Parts: sequence; structure tokens; C-alpha cells
Amino acid sequence: AQSVSQHNHHVILSEAASLELGCNYSYGGTVNLFWYVQYPGQHLQLLLKYFSGDPLVKGIKGFEAEFIKSKFSFNLRKPSVQWSDTAEYFCAVKSNQAGTALIFGKGTTLSVSS
Amino acid sequence: NAGVTQTPKFRILKIGQSMTLQCTQDMNHNYMYWYRQDPGMGLKLIYYSVGAGITDKGEVPNGYNVSRSTTEDFPLRLELAAPSQTSVYFCASSRQPQETQYFGPGTRLLVL
Repeated sequence: AQSVSQHNHHVILSEAASLELGCNYSYGGTVNLFWYVQYPGQHLQLLLKYFSGDPLVKGIKGFEAEFIKSKFSFNLRKPSVQWSDTAEYFCAVKSNQAGTALIFGKGTTLSVSS
Repeated sequence: NAGVTQTPKFRILKIGQSMTLQCTQDMNHNYMYWYRQDPGMGLKLIYYSVGAGITDKGEVPNGYNVSRSTTEDFPLRLELAAPSQTSVYFCASSRQPQETQYFGPGTRLLVL
């Protein structure tokens, strides 16, 4: 069965620090990959997605992610975090069954101190 | 364009009670999904629908039922609430399988 693992449960950073959140997926075929963010008290919002093409994907708010097929990874990065980036981040892969629903990782909580 | 809306925002149920979580989207999306989010566990798929009149089970369907009589609405029914159903429930929709899923604001359910 497809699965997604996120390496970090809770990350604490100071403002202006660089961020990298790890994500690995299990399926070896064609994959569609996503990063969603959930700000406190809000619903999930799409940060970025990868379907095909350039493996370096740029999303909103200065986030980017790199798809590395050989490593089954889709890590999220941001060069300089802000206090407003405090949120929970979910990596997800589109299921190759189940109506193409999303399979989510357990999430990483990012806390940024000012 | 409201996107995906869910009601109620919060509900407390007693064990054995039933309720319906409402989900409506105004984007004319064919695909709709129900997920539950438990602390530290990410989101898990409960049920999904690929169009009006067509529904199917996801990873954790036990204790739930759904219907899809219209394109816009995808209600989730809990018949006999159990403490294990305490969770946050998210509805999502997408126009096509390969397109972005848009999420509603969620319903927080507490079963006591």
C-alpha cells in the first residue's frame, strides 16, 4: 500500500533560519505529490504540487520542494522562515486507487520564534 | 464563490447519538472526499465520491455512511456515535482526479 512518511514531528526555528522538512513516499510508479499547510485554526491550503516536469517546484509564500525520484523524496524548503510560517505541514501523495484521494503523512508542526 | 463549506463547526455528541456532517461545494467539482484528522496522525480517507450517485469506501469507513444525490452536496452520517469518532472531519473536492483538492474548514466532533 502507498504510504507517506514525514521525518520530523516538531521543528522549532528562529526567524530567518532556513527550513527543510523531509517527506518520503513508498510508491515507485508515477506519483503526484503535494505539500499542504494548516495554519492555526484554519483549514488545509495547498502550498505546492508536483505532477511532472521540472523536479524543483515553487509554491506560495516562498516555499519550494524538490522531487528526487531515486530517493523517493519530496522535501519542502524555505530559505528564511517568518513567524507567520508557524503551522502544521503535511506531505501527501495522490492515491493510485480510491478515486485518487490523497494519502497524507502524519504532519510536521513548525514553530517559529520571533 | 465560497469554495467548500462545512457545517457545523463544532459539535458534542453523546455515545449512541447520530448526526450528519454537511459538506457543500460550489465549484461544480465531480470528486468529493471525507477525511478525518486525529492528533499526530495526519488525515485518513473515510469515503469518497467520483460523481453524483457514486460513492465508495476509503481507509476508515466503519461507523460512517455517505450519500451523493447532487454534485454540490456530500453529507457524512454517523449513526451510532462512539468515542473513537472524536476527531476533526474535513471535506474536500476536486474537479478532476489530477487537480488540486480544496478543503473545507473542518468540523470538530467530540463524542462523550
